This record gives sequence, structure tokens and C-alpha cells, in this order.
Amino acid sequence: SYELTQPPSVSVSPGQTARITCSGDALPKKYAYWYQQKSGQAPVLVIYEDNKRPSGIPERFSGSSSGTMGTLTISGAQVEDEADYYCSSTDNSDRFLFGGGTKLTVL
Amino acid sequence: QVQLAQSGAEVRKPGASVKVSCKASGYTFTDYYMHWVRQAPGQGLEWMGWINTKSGDTNYAQNFQGRVTMTRDTSISTAYMELNGLRSDDTAVYYCARVGTTNYWGQGTLVTVSS
Repeated sequence: SYELTQPPSVSVSPGQTARITCSGDALPKKYAYWYQQKSGQAPVLVIYEDNKRPSGIPERFSGSSSGTMGTLTISGAQVEDEADYYCSSTDNSDRFLFGGGTKLTVL
Repeated sequence: QVQLAQSGAEVRKPGASVKVSCKASGYTFTDYYMHWVRQAPGQGLEWMGWINTKSGDTNYAQNFQGRVTMTRDTSISTAYMELNGLRSDDTAVYYCARVGTTNYWGQGTLVTVSS
């Protein structure tokens, strides 16, 4: 079955650039979406259609896609960006799926 | 403003069923699919399926085929997710969500399966 693979954890110091990757065979043909989830809260969409930022999401969040890899980049990560991040996409049957999630630590 | 209001926490015994509701407001209910996503304690997000709120067509994740039923009542702008044959590993927070270029999520419903 189709899977999206993320690193379990990423750690950066405040002000550094954090990059979280998402690998999936269908990503060359399907969009990637990125969600931020803080403890005890519902997920929040931070990037849609590979590289678009919803209204209200800080400019330091950006997305890119190349081949089978999507990347969420947080330029100048802040302490408040510490959260779990999930990539999401669809398969050829319009079924959604999530990556396993990446815990971002900013300290 | 768009809101998705879910029903309250549930406790069920193994083998039982649970039905969670999600009442939408602030937009035209039938203009958007409704998705259901769950999250077990300390685990990641798991997509369960979607319902086309206009036609009633559904698309379920393979992991839930045969055990989940998604329905809707357009007269009251409410979507439902029913899960049968509950097991202890179905203990999770269940979310309804309007996903896409704009996202709205319900507050989550904790379903606890315990004997």
C-alpha cells in the first residue's frame, strides 16, 4: 500500500532553518499538504498544494516539491513552532493518507 | 464563521459500535466533502474516509472497509461516522474535518473502548 515517509524528529535552535521531508512515490503527480499539530489541539494546515500558504500562516513557513520528495521549510524557526508536523497527500483512488509525523524541537 | 461541532466523549465495550456526529455551520454544508480522521493516544493522524455531502458517496480507507459507515443529514448540516466491531486499539480522538485549500476541523471526540 502507498505510504508517506517522514523523519520521526528534527531539532533546531531558535532562528535556524528547519526542514522536514516527506517521501512518497506518488508525490510527482499528487499535491502535498502540511499540518502543524500542537499538543492537545486539532491539526492546522500550514501548506497546501505543495507550496501555497493559507491566510494567517507566517511567511517563515514554505513548501517545495521535487520528484518523490516534499519539503516543509521553516525559516528562522521560533520556539512557538515546536509541534508535530504531518504531510498528507492522496493516492490514485482519491484516498487521503498522512505521513507518520515529525516532532520538531526548537531549543 | 465556519464551525464543526462534534458530539461528546463515548465509552464502549469491545465489539460494540459508536456513532459520532459533526454539525457544520457557517457555510453551505453540501459544498464540501467531510473527512474523518482519528488519532490514537500518542500516535499519528490516520485518515478514515470521506463523504460527498451532496451525493452521499463515500470513500473509505482500506483499513476501515467493512467496519465504518459515513452518512449525512443535509437537513441539519450534520455528518456522522459509525464504527462497528470496536477493539481496544480503536481508542482514539476522532475528528471530522473540511479539508482542502482551507481547513476546518472539529474539536475531536474521544472514544474509549474498554471492557
